[in-house]
Amino acid sequence: NAGVTQTPKFQVLKTGQSMTLQCAQDMNHNSMYWYRQDPGMGLRLIYYSASEGTTDKGEVPNGYNVSRLNKREFSLRLESAAPSQTSVYFCAASQVSRGRVTHEQYFGPGTRLTVT
Amino acid sequence: RKEVEQDPGPFNVPEGATVAFNCTYSNSASQSFFWYRQDCRKEPKLLMSVYSSGNEDGRFTAQLNRASQYISLLIRDSKLSDSATYLCVVNLFNAGNNRKLIWGLGTSLAVNP
Repeated sequence: NAGVTQTPKFQVLKTGQSMTLQCAQDMNHNSMYWYRQDPGMGLRLIYYSASEGTTDKGEVPNGYNVSRLNKREFSLRLESAAPSQTSVYFCAASQVSRGRVTHEQYFGPGTRLTVT
Repeated sequence: RKEVEQDPGPFNVPEGATVAFNCTYSNSASQSFFWYRQDCRKEPKLLMSVYSSGNEDGRFTAQLNRASQYISLLIRDSKLSDSATYLCVVNLFNAGNNRKLIWGLGTSLAVNP
């Protein structure tokens, strides 16, 4: 049982290049999230998907797009990378049951992205 | 005032010590609360959920004080393996009835031999 997996683990891009970060979960959770973590800034939500077929912007969506491909997979795309997008990116999943708001989130191991 | 505030530390304690962290939140409508643990260069992992009057899990005790708007985490008999950053997380519903998770910046703990 892998939980939440992310690929790649590390990536170096040049300014203007594009890439897609992949995330998959095998916990059958309905909600998935993309965060970035920067020193002194904490975790900031980029986009989330409450359920298959829906996506919503989080706190810092500019420069990113997402796709909830199916219940298992949620990808994050950088169309034209900028140095300000150098960060550690975490994908997470959670199960929100009717009548019980828990938001206990399970994270993938992260992608360390450097944009030069 | 930040929505969720934590003392960044670092807290340096010897093995076997008892250590406590507080986390204050500004929105009284906050509904649920969590402590996560994050090791250096690793992902955050859920440590404990904190509901109503709090809960205990082995050496860890989490408390919620709604009147003063803070949660606490108490670690008894500290182990070297407890060295990590502890993140406070608050969940609330905003004006549009959309849920929002707010993450603190974390408190760093170093347990020394």
